[in-house]
Amino acid sequence: ELKVEQNPLFLSMQEGKNYTIYCNYSTTSDRLYWYRQDPGKSLESLFVLLSNGAVKQEGRLMASLDTKARLSTLHITAAVHDLSATYFCAGTGEGGTSYGKLTFGQGTILTVHP
Amino acid sequence: EPEVTQTPSHQVTQMGQEVILRCVPISNHLYFYWYRQILGQKVEFLVSFYNNEISEKSEIFDDQFSVERPDGSNFTLKIRSTKLEDSAMYFCASSNPYNSPLHFGNGTRLTVT
Repeated sequence: ELKVEQNPLFLSMQEGKNYTIYCNYSTTSDRLYWYRQDPGKSLESLFVLLSNGAVKQEGRLMASLDTKARLSTLHITAAVHDLSATYFCAGTGEGGTSYGKLTFGQGTILTVHP
Repeated sequence: EPEVTQTPSHQVTQMGQEVILRCVPISNHLYFYWYRQILGQKVEFLVSFYNNEISEKSEIFDDQFSVERPDGSNFTLKIRSTKLEDSAMYFCASSNPYNSPLHFGNGTRLTVT
């Protein structure tokens, strides 16, 4: 059974600084997602990572995947207040019809302050 | 951009009562899901649904839960006899094709008293 662990769980950052959120998973996962959730809101898909070495970037966020280490990272560059949210990684386990059965990490609550 | 819509946004019910949570998935999506998030905890998979039947369900999804697609647009989650521990945010999601990212609705906050 897939288990997904994130760290840190709480991250307080100053604007302009860089930081990385780590996501470890326990067994093979065909794909790895990163989602963002604003308070009281839904989950917004940020990235889907499919293969070893995959790197995706959108604005100040960059996600990468190392399938050998079973590790994904979400790197934040020059943080701004608008990035304050909870970030989840989620894996699918091995595929077939289980692509929609996501196992989520605990979430990382990111707060960016001046 | 098309959205998954959920109603109501907040539902309060008494223990032992039945509740139905409603979702309208994105119109050309074929795969439907329910997830829940107990306050402060992880988002957890409940059930996936395709071609008018359950394709997978978790241990949480016991006999008290059922899902239905009563017409071409709605997708519902029924909890027959609610318990205090059913209090959570329930998210509906849909996708198409099956291996594309899930689109989540805004959730229904269920409070069981």
